[in-house]
Amino acid sequence: EPEVTQTPSHQVTQMGQEVILRCVPISNHLYFYWYRQILGQKVEFLVSFYNNEISEKSEIFDDQFSVERPDGSNFTLKIRSTKLEDSAMYFCASSYDSSSYEQYFGPGTRLTVT
Amino acid sequence: GEDVEQSLFLSVREGDSSVINCTYTDSSSTYLYWYKQEPGAGLQLLTYIFSNMDMKQDQRLTVLLNKKDKHLSLRIADTQTGDSAIYFCAENGSWGKFQFGAGTQVVVTP
Repeated sequence: EPEVTQTPSHQVTQMGQEVILRCVPISNHLYFYWYRQILGQKVEFLVSFYNNEISEKSEIFDDQFSVERPDGSNFTLKIRSTKLEDSAMYFCASSYDSSSYEQYFGPGTRLTVT
Repeated sequence: GEDVEQSLFLSVREGDSSVINCTYTDSSSTYLYWYKQEPGAGLQLLTYIFSNMDMKQDQRLTVLLNKKDKHLSLRIADTQTGDSAIYFCAENGSWGKFQFGAGTQVVVTP
């Protein structure tokens, strides 16, 4: 069964450093998403991406964040200068189209900023 | 604005039924979902319901939707220890953006 994969599973970084979280969506999917979950809190939408551009983004997704699909398979989330409050679990998801009833989620990357 | 609310905790004895409740605000949602998250794991889609349905049954899972009251529930029959997890209610919005609730921690006791 196809699945969304994410690397690394856990990333520890120092405050102010740049991090890149990587995702490989399901191969025939066209819409890609990033969500985050701060420990003990709800899963929050960050950004959706289609046709090589951002479709929608939340207030959390400020200028420190960027997304890219550098090749035909990877979808990345970059945080330019990490802050302590960026520590969270980051989930990537993909769907075939924006109205698809199913979004498939990856296992997540736990980001710890020290 | 859009919001999804859930009860935070549910304790249930093995073999009993669990009922997890959720309310949502976005009446334009096409689908409503239940996801399961086990410790340290990702989000697993359990089941979903189309917004023009009022009930969906899938083996031990029953989803009830009251569109007038914007109330969604998930019933798990014959709850097992493997059902211990956090359960998230979610609705889909524009551009596939999902709005999640805070999650209900379900603890199954022997």
